[in-house]
Amino acid sequence: DAKTTQPNSMESNEEEPVHLPCNHSTISGTDYIHWYRQLPSQGPEYVIHGLTSNVNNRMASLAIAEDRKSSTLILHRATLRDAAVYYCIGFGGNNRKLIWGLGTSLGVNP
Amino acid sequence: DTGVSQDPRHKITKRGQNVTFRCDPISEHNRLYWYRQTLGQGPEFLTYFQNEAQLEKSRLLSDRFSAERPKGSFSTLEIQRTEQGDSAMYLCASSMEVSGNTIYFGEGSWLTVV
Repeated sequence: DAKTTQPNSMESNEEEPVHLPCNHSTISGTDYIHWYRQLPSQGPEYVIHGLTSNVNNRMASLAIAEDRKSSTLILHRATLRDAAVYYCIGFGGNNRKLIWGLGTSLGVNP
Repeated sequence: DTGVSQDPRHKITKRGQNVTFRCDPISEHNRLYWYRQTLGQGPEFLTYFQNEAQLEKSRLLSDRFSAERPKGSFSTLEIQRTEQGDSAMYLCASSMEVSGNTIYFGEGSWLTVV
């Protein structure tokens, strides 16, 4: 299974960029890198995913290392609503299930 | 609302009782997943369906747990003879059959066993 390693927690200030790192050195060549976030007492919410190239959407950007052993989720301007637990997961290809770690708890200071 | 819906959202039951959770996936999604999550932990995979076929089942799923997806539409997760250790949030998710495709989660069903 593609296991990931993330810092337990990070702090950011409102309206500043946030870079959330993830190591996934055991990811297979066919696994996509997915990011989800979860607010307390809610189901996880999809943020972004990619395979090899950097990806952008309205929520965030995903920068994937060339060797695919790590990636960084970038929130360009943090808001208070971005305070959540962020999970990085390797998924897809022959891996049909998401294997979740403990994620990074992001705090956003006003 | 066309997202994944779960019912009930909250359930309190006495130890030893049976409980059943229902999940209605996004209509065109043929993959359906069940996860369990306890406080402070990430979700744990329980089982996965492609259409009506249950293709994978976690070792976490004891004999007391059973999941079905008749006709490849909604799914049910039943827990028999509940134990206090079963208290958790049970999450359902669905996706299209495309490699690496986005998985969409429901809001979860909270189970408290007293």
